[in-house]
Amino acid sequence: ELKVEQNPLFLSMQEGKNYTIYCNYSTTSDRLYWYRQDPGKSLESLFVLLSNGAVKQEGRLMASLDTKARLSTLHITAAVHDLSATYFCAVYNTNAGKSTFGDGTTLTVKP
Amino acid sequence: DTEVTQTPKHLVMGMTNKKSLKCEQHMGHRAMYWYKQKAKKPPELMFVYSYEKLSINESVPSRFSPECPNSSLLNLHLHALQPEDSALYLCASSQQVANYGYTFGSGTRLTVV
Repeated sequence: ELKVEQNPLFLSMQEGKNYTIYCNYSTTSDRLYWYRQDPGKSLESLFVLLSNGAVKQEGRLMASLDTKARLSTLHITAAVHDLSATYFCAVYNTNAGKSTFGDGTTLTVKP
Repeated sequence: DTEVTQTPKHLVMGMTNKKSLKCEQHMGHRAMYWYKQKAKKPPELMFVYSYEKLSINESVPSRFSPECPNSSLLNLHLHALQPEDSALYLCASSQQVANYGYTFGSGTRLTVV
């Protein structure tokens, strides 16, 4: 059974600071997704990472994938309040034909 | 059209009621999903309809039943629900090859009283 672990689960940071969210998973996969969810809202797709060494950037967020280490990171640069949300990673299990979500990281950016 | 449309957005139902949640997409996606999400928890997969084949999470009780009238629609029929079934129900769709993230609908906030 595929297990996906995110850490930290809760993150409070000051505006302007940098931080990294980690997503570890237990079995081989070559597809990993990052989503954002605002309170009471649905999920928004941020990044799709399809190969070892993949790196994608959008604004202040950058995601990377190391399939050998079974690890993805979501790096936040110079955080701003608008980034406050819950971030989920999801790992695609080819055999099962479905994605398994991590528990999410709730990010609060304070002025 | 790049959206997944879910209706209704909010639903309050009694434990003896029968209701349906609707989900529609016109992106030509060949896979559609129903997820249940409790507060402060990740989404939990309930059903997958992919290439006309339905896959069921065995932990989902039979009071939830999916229906796929065509490749653009995936409904979720609700019957005799329990208060613990109150949650946000999310529909999503994806390209079959899963090289893209899922596109999620805005969700149905369900309250069972």
